[in-house]
Amino acid sequence: GAVVSQHPSWVICKSGTSVKIECRSLDFQATTMFWYRQFPKQSLMLMATSNEGSKATYEQGVEKDKFLINHASLTLSTLTVTSAHPEDSSFYICSARDQSGGAVETQYFGPGTRLLVL
Amino acid sequence: AQTVTQSQPEMSVQEAETVTLSCTYDTSESDYYLFWYKQPPSRQMILVIRQEAYKQQNATENRFSVNFQKAAKSFSLKISDSQLGDAAMYFCAYSPYNNNDMRFGAGTRLTVKP
Repeated sequence: GAVVSQHPSWVICKSGTSVKIECRSLDFQATTMFWYRQFPKQSLMLMATSNEGSKATYEQGVEKDKFLINHASLTLSTLTVTSAHPEDSSFYICSARDQSGGAVETQYFGPGTRLLVL
Repeated sequence: AQTVTQSQPEMSVQEAETVTLSCTYDTSESDYYLFWYKQPPSRQMILVIRQEAYKQQNATENRFSVNFQKAAKSFSLKISDSQLGDAAMYFCAYSPYNNNDMRFGAGTRLTVKP
């Protein structure tokens, strides 16, 4: 299957700082990428949909000024958590949709980024 | 809004036995996709199997198969000859056709006993 990478896998930061997480599709182009948040022992919650060359679409309740998303190329989307606070500590997962060759609408997931804000 | 329900928070199976994980969903769409993802302790989401709603034939991937009942909006996963490596969280997911939205169920934690 298609491969999606995420970097970093682990980040610890001080409260008030900003953290950038990268999501890359390694062997396919993705016009659409997705950002999820997962709390311990819970399911994935969609935060936003990242569209290449246009503004991201945020889910209700997700602050767009706090979670900045940039999708500058067909293989890279970034999520920046601005002015992070301890309540932003979570596991962030990205996914990319592979539509090449008429593929079924399947999302392939990155390995996730664990964020801890002190 | 589409919702996905997994009514079994935890399931257990003996190694080499068969287990079925339940999933129901709610939608007004006629075309959509359904997925089962596996999340092991590494937390990497791994696609197990997928089903296109317009296909009546149940999808099969080696030891994994689904029972797709469109009228009942049910999409269960059967794991045959369970292996220790099958132990993980399993998430059922729904995605409308030509839409970005993917919704996940709450997950079922599967334990495989040796």
